[in-house]
Amino acid sequence: DAGVTQSPTHLIKTRGQQVTLRCSPKSGHDTVSWYQQALGQGPQFIFQYYEEEERQRGNFPDRFSGHQFPNYSSELNVNALLLGDSALYLCASSWEGGGDTQYFGPGTRLTVL
Amino acid sequence: GESVGLHLPTLSVQEGDNSIINCAYSNSASDYFIWYKQESGKGPQFIIDIRSNMDKRQGQRVTVLLNKTVKHLSLQIAATQPGDSAVYFCAEKYTGTYKYIFGTGTRLKVLA
Repeated sequence: DAGVTQSPTHLIKTRGQQVTLRCSPKSGHDTVSWYQQALGQGPQFIFQYYEEEERQRGNFPDRFSGHQFPNYSSELNVNALLLGDSALYLCASSWEGGGDTQYFGPGTRLTVL
Repeated sequence: GESVGLHLPTLSVQEGDNSIINCAYSNSASDYFIWYKQESGKGPQFIIDIRSNMDKRQGQRVTVLLNKTVKHLSLQIAATQPGDSAVYFCAEKYTGTYKYIFGTGTRLKVLA
C-alpha cells in the first residue's frame, strides 16, 4: 500500500521563476492538503483540495495556487518566487469519509537563490 | 542531511526511561488533536490522535493526555528508544475547518 508520494525531492530555482510540485495521495484517499515548513518551524497550512476544488486556504498570497486532478493527485504552483519561499513543501492526504487524520509525504525541499 | 528544528526546545532522556512532551494549544474550539514525529529529512509521521470528547488515549508505547481546562496536550513515550529521537509536533484542528495548526515542536534526544 503506497503512502503519500511527492516529486521532485529537491529543487533549486532563482528569484522570479515559477515552480510546480506534485503529490500523489495515499491509496484510498481523496483529499490533499499542502503545507510549507520553514527551517526550524512547524508546518503552515497553504490550502486543501477536495473534489478538485480548493475548499480552504491559509494565509498565503495568490502566488500560491494549486490543482487537484480526477485521480486525486495534486499540484502546487508558486509564481514569482521569493527568497523567503525557500522551505520544505509537504503534501498530506486524508479520506473525507474516514475522519480528520492527515498523512504526510516526504516533502519537496525548494531552495530559491 | 537537513536539520528539522534547529532552535527548538530539547528534551534529553536516557534510553529506557519514559518521556513526556508537552504542548499548549491555542483554540478552545479545537476538537481534534494529533501528534507527529519528524525525523531529519522526512515528512511528519502520524503517532497518535485524540478527540476533544476524550482525555486520554493509548497506543503502542505512547499515551496522549488532553486537558481542555488549561488547553494542554501531552505525549508520553514509555521505555524510550534511540529510534524515538526526532522532533515531535502537536497539531490541532477546530470544528468547521480543515487545516491543522502546528505547535513549535520539541526535539527529543535519547541518550545511550
